[in-house]
Amino acid sequence: DGGITQSPKYLFRKEGQNVTLSCEQNLNHDAMYWYRQDPGQGLRLIYYSQIVNDFQKGDIAEGYSVSREKKESFPLTVTSAQKNPTAFYLCASSTGVGGELFFGEGSRLTVL
Amino acid sequence: KQEVTQIPAALSVPEGENLVLNCSFTDSAIYNLQWFRQDPGKGLTSLLLIQSSQREQTSGRLNASLDKSSGRSTLYIAASQPGDSATYLCAVIFGMDSNYQLIWGAGTKLIIKP
Repeated sequence: DGGITQSPKYLFRKEGQNVTLSCEQNLNHDAMYWYRQDPGQGLRLIYYSQIVNDFQKGDIAEGYSVSREKKESFPLTVTSAQKNPTAFYLCASSTGVGGELFFGEGSRLTVL
Repeated sequence: KQEVTQIPAALSVPEGENLVLNCSFTDSAIYNLQWFRQDPGKGLTSLLLIQSSQREQTSGRLNASLDKSSGRSTLYIAASQPGDSATYLCAVIFGMDSNYQLIWGAGTKLIIKP
């Protein structure tokens, strides 16, 4: 089945550690996105990529990093510089910017 | 500033009722509008996508309409069921000529009472 796979589903991290969230899609989509969702708040864009080897900062990129070495993969690293990393992280993809969005099941990160 | 508003924030109705969820936006220069549902602790599921040139889209018991002149989209759910309980979000893409900006509504939490 075509879709977006995020892993791990749950992740616990100690303060000061970097963690990487995986996002893989087999929809042959060019554009991929990372969003953060906090309780009672809307979705906020962290990074997006329109094409392999290119990505742009979203509204809340500080403390995060990404790479796009393959069309299918868009991993997100939450660095120790992110002051409040506990959140629900959602990966999405679309045929291009402006196209219909499809989401993965999300990864919940908790900092202990 | 482009804004997307969903009112009410929460809605509770008895099973079997037809209901309408609202999504308002401040700029008529939209590219498309997409409705999603989100179950607790889960990702977003795409329900319907309406292109700027379209007036409505239908999928099963769901019907989404778009009125750019009034800055409004509605999601109509017929014969509601307990399984329809979820948070419904709308996302509006503003802009043209590949210069787009996606703005999210805050969502409407829907509870269908058996």
